[in-house]
Amino acid sequence: EPEVTQTPSHQVTQMGQEVILRCVPISNHLYFYWYRQILGQKVEFLVSFYNNEISEKSEIFDDQFSVERPDGSNFTLKIRSTKLEDSAMYFCASSSTNQGPTNEKLFFGSGTQLSVL
Amino acid sequence: AQSVSQHNHHVILSEAASLELGCNYSYGGTVNLFWYVQYPGQHLQLLLKYFSGDPLVKGIKGFEAEFIKSKFSFNLRKPSVQWSDTAEYFCAVNLKFMNSGGYQKVTFGTGTKLQVIP
Repeated sequence: EPEVTQTPSHQVTQMGQEVILRCVPISNHLYFYWYRQILGQKVEFLVSFYNNEISEKSEIFDDQFSVERPDGSNFTLKIRSTKLEDSAMYFCASSSTNQGPTNEKLFFGSGTQLSVL
Repeated sequence: AQSVSQHNHHVILSEAASLELGCNYSYGGTVNLFWYVQYPGQHLQLLLKYFSGDPLVKGIKGFEAEFIKSKFSFNLRKPSVQWSDTAEYFCAVNLKFMNSGGYQKVTFGTGTKLQVIP
């Protein structure tokens, strides 16, 4: 089965630093997402991205966050100035449908554990 | 706003015991329903899904789930668990976006940690 890959698997950063989490979605997919899971809490939607723009974002996705698809294969999540509460597992996902309503499943990456010190 | 409730946060079973994990959602419209599993150290994987048709859906590894629309429920079941089923299980709901072009916004429950004792 095709896979979504994420790098790095674990990122440690100092509070206030910028961090970029990288994802390579499945190659023919059109929709890209970031979710996060704070330890002990549920998986939360952050943002969806289609046709080089954000489709929807949650209230968590404030001005400190941005997403980009710089080269047609990578999909990145940037946190401009990390806070302690940004520590979480960040999951990238992609899906392929270009027709609504969708019947496709989300393919998740293995996650990047971000630790903000 | 849609929400998903999973009532059991931590379940401990012996091997061969039967499993039922509860999931309720709050949304009056058409939904897609999923169960995802996260094995220790691994990423989220789709276990099974319901879109339409037969409300009893079968997934991988002997799991099944039943959609009961009147109860807004989508409980996960397995007649006989194995040690390898130890994992965290997430129920999830996706609203059917009729006009938005097909992207998904999935809302997850808080998860149920299943521990199977050999």
